[in-house]
Amino acid sequence: GENVEQHPSTLSVQEGDSAVIKCTYSDSASNYFPWYKQELGKGPQLIIDIRSNVGEKKDQRIAVTLNKTAKHFSLHITETQPEDSAVYFCAASFGGNEKLTFGTGTRLTIIP
Amino acid sequence: DAGITQSPRHKVTETGTPVTLRCHQTENHRYMYWYRQDPGHGLRLIHYSYGVKDTDKGEVSDGYSVSRSKTEDFLLTLESATSSQTSVYFCAISDAGSPLHFGNGTRLTVT
Repeated sequence: GENVEQHPSTLSVQEGDSAVIKCTYSDSASNYFPWYKQELGKGPQLIIDIRSNVGEKKDQRIAVTLNKTAKHFSLHITETQPEDSAVYFCAASFGGNEKLTFGTGTRLTIIP
Repeated sequence: DAGITQSPRHKVTETGTPVTLRCHQTENHRYMYWYRQDPGHGLRLIHYSYGVKDTDKGEVSDGYSVSRSKTEDFLLTLESATSSQTSVYFCAISDAGSPLHFGNGTRLTVT
């Protein structure tokens, strides 16, 4: 089955700087790659997703890049703000949501 | 929270007792899922449902059963709780081709 590795497990960034979280996947057939943000005491919330026919997608300060050859994808957050502090999960799948495999999460802390 | 309510939000139970967690949605989505979240493991799928009375196993289904008698409700049952089932349980919903939307979780402690 699919295996998703996520790095780093913790990341501290000065407010205003950029943060990058990286994930690698094992199944070359995977074609859907969402990113979720989880705040304390809440469920994960989708922040951005990308499909394998696209190399990059942006939404304001958030971007995701995908390298299918290397089987890795990354989340980029620019101009970080205190409200960006949370745990971020990547995931990968081929087919329906029941086939989604999640990474182990990155705890991002923004230092004021 | 995409109209998802999980109950209870917290529960402490003893080893060997049965436990049922409830997920209720108001979005009329076809698919419902139960995940567990543990440190170092991310989110792992327990069971999911693709319609009323239609369910299937996920990655970590041993020791769990589910039922869906109505579109809006998906129940997760631990027939005889064990300490290894101490976890945070999340319900999620989706429609075909749409992303997962998660509830706010149930923290279960088995003593």
